[in-house]
Amino acid sequence: GAGVSQSPSNKVTEKGKDVELRCDPISGHTALYWYRQSLGQGLEFLIYFQGNSAPDKSGLPSDRFSAERTGGSVSTLTIQRTQQEDSAVYLCASSLRGGTAYEQFFGPGTRLTVL
Amino acid sequence: QKEVEQNSGPLSVPEGAIASLNCTYSDRGSQSFFWYRQYSGKSPELIMSIYSNGDKEDGRFTAQLNKASQYVSLLIRDSQPSDSATYLCAATGRDNYGQNFVFGPGTRLSVLP
Repeated sequence: GAGVSQSPSNKVTEKGKDVELRCDPISGHTALYWYRQSLGQGLEFLIYFQGNSAPDKSGLPSDRFSAERTGGSVSTLTIQRTQQEDSAVYLCASSLRGGTAYEQFFGPGTRLTVL
Repeated sequence: QKEVEQNSGPLSVPEGAIASLNCTYSDRGSQSFFWYRQYSGKSPELIMSIYSNGDKEDGRFTAQLNKASQYVSLLIRDSQPSDSATYLCAATGRDNYGQNFVFGPGTRLSVLP
């Protein structure tokens, strides 16, 4: 079946512009996660959705970052007034349920470059 | 602060050898453990999950869990050059918050032909 999809695959933007990154999880998966991975670094947790609600937003690095999920499916991560330090690969993952026993499956990521 | 630690590597093994990747975690309440493989420029791909003490085998891969020692390992038998990648260990805690799914920094494995 179809896996997690993300768009765009690459995004180049100028400092100060807003960007929107999209994630389409595996059908039927209720939990959705956003991570960020800078070059050569590990995964940095950003936010977790269970259905449409986000019980854990603790990883969002600043108030320039926000995310929403509608219809228990597609999620959008928005970065306002982008800065050069926002350049990274943004990864989305989904799992059948939230909670500790469920495996996460990753999308291909969006590579964001802020000039 | 929950942590998962791994040697960053690179771990170099000759083709056909056994590669042993290790991971320790700080939260004694962690319940579930996962190994992911990440090729350069690609996203992580799930290899194995393990939930109880002991060994779990899947093809050339064996995951080992020792909760008393807070230690997880991944063995790759008959290593192939195509196994060259970064291997991420992840552990989860006792509640259902996303941040409890904690990833280690990864170990870079290089299998030499």
